[in-house]
Amino acid sequence: DVVMTQSPLSLPVTLGQPASISCRSSQSLVHSDGNTYLNWFQQRPGQSPRRLIYKVSNRDSGVPDRFSGSGSGTDFTLRISRVEAEDVGVYYCMQGTHWPLTFGGGTRVEIK
Amino acid sequence: EVRLVESGGGLVQPGGSLRLSCAASGFTFSTSWMQWVRQAPGKGLVWVSRINSDGSSTAYADSVQGRFTISRDNAKNTLYLQMNSLRVEDTAVYYCARGGVIDYWGQGTLVTVSS
Repeated sequence: DVVMTQSPLSLPVTLGQPASISCRSSQSLVHSDGNTYLNWFQQRPGQSPRRLIYKVSNRDSGVPDRFSGSGSGTDFTLRISRVEAEDVGVYYCMQGTHWPLTFGGGTRVEIK
Repeated sequence: EVRLVESGGGLVQPGGSLRLSCAASGFTFSTSWMQWVRQAPGKGLVWVSRINSDGSSTAYADSVQGRFTISRDNAKNTLYLQMNSLRVEDTAVYYCARGGVIDYWGQGTLVTVSS
C-alpha cells in the first residue's frame, strides 16, 4: 500500500498568519491516465471530513481562496494564506491513484 | 445537494454482527462508486471497503477481509456494510463516502465493540 506521511503532526498558528502542511507519498501518485489523484480534507471538531482540494490543486466549490494546494509526484503541500478561527481542525491528505485508498495521519491546526 | 446518511451503529459484543446502512440522495446513486471509511476514537481515517456502481466489483482492507461485506441496492439508493465476527479493534465511527476518489462524506455512525 502507498504510505502517506504528513508533517507536522500539530501546527499552532497565529490568526491571520499563513500555515503550510506537507504530505509525501511512498511512490509517485501520477496515474496512468495522466492525472494525480491527491485530495485534501478538512475535519473540524465533531464533524465529518470535507473535501477542500482535489487532484492536487483544484479547490472545491465553496472553499475559501485562502486554501491552495500544490505539488507533484510524491511531494504535496496544502497552504492556508491567512488562518481564520474556523480553520481549526485536522487536515488529511489522501491518494486515490493506487488501490487501496490511503490517508495521511493528519495534521492538527490550532490557534496559538 | 448530496446527502449521505448512515445508520445502524451501536454497541455489540465481540464476535457479534451489525449491518450499517447509508441512504443516499441528491445525486445519481446508481452511477457512483461508494466507499466505507472508518475512524477509531481519536485516530485517523482508514479505508475499509469499496463497491463499483452496479455492485459487481468489491474490495476490502486486509483487516476486514472475510468478515465484512459491502453491498448496495440501487433501487433504494442505499449502501450497506454487513459486519460479522466483530472485534474490539473494529470500534470506530464508520463513514460512507461517494466516489472512486472520495468527494462527499456522510456524518458517520458509531460502532462500539465491547463486552
